[in-house]
Amino acid sequence: GDSVTQMEGPVTLSEEAFLTINCTYTATGYPSLFWYVQYPGEGLQLLLKATKADDKGSNKGFEATYRKETTSFHLEKGSVQVSDSAVYFCGAGGTSYGKLTFGQGTILTVHP
Amino acid sequence: DAGVIQSPRHEVTEMGQEVTLRCKPISGHDYLFWYRQTMMRGLELLIYFNNNVPIDDSGMPEDRFSAKMPNASFSTLKIQPSEPRDSAVYFCASSLVGGHREQYFGPGTRLTVT
Repeated sequence: GDSVTQMEGPVTLSEEAFLTINCTYTATGYPSLFWYVQYPGEGLQLLLKATKADDKGSNKGFEATYRKETTSFHLEKGSVQVSDSAVYFCGAGGTSYGKLTFGQGTILTVHP
Repeated sequence: DAGVIQSPRHEVTEMGQEVTLRCKPISGHDYLFWYRQTMMRGLELLIYFNNNVPIDDSGMPEDRFSAKMPNASFSTLKIQPSEPRDSAVYFCASSLVGGHREQYFGPGTRLTVT
């Protein structure tokens, strides 16, 4: 079945630092790829998505590019804020009837 | 749209009691998913439905867990009898057309079994 592997956390950064969270996937088909964010006490919210190779998803200063050749979908942000502190989940879907497969989540903490 | 609605938001119960969690998906969505989240095991898919029919329940941990979707706007997850190790946050999510479309998550139900 599909699998998603994320960079292990926790990740701790200072405000305005550059962020990268690595994500790679294994799928038999051609999945759509997603990044979700979970703030404390809340459910997961879609952050961005990409549905085909070389697509770039972007939202709130975050970006990720669908790289089929390296089966990757790394999340980046040029300058993080304290308000970006959350748990980030990479997900892949569409090859297994209806499901999304999520990575284990990466905790990000941003200090002032 | 109101988004995915879950109730209750918090539930505290004693071991051995029956617990019922409720979910109202986004109107028009044809997939509904139940997840469990714990620190130890992360986010786990328990079961999901398509057009009210269970498609995959392989993630349901034990026979003590059951889920139903009697109509397109309502689903329940029941635990009977509950045990302390069932303590977790339970999320419901819904989507259109399956995995190529994003899932929308509810706020979760935090269950504590003492």
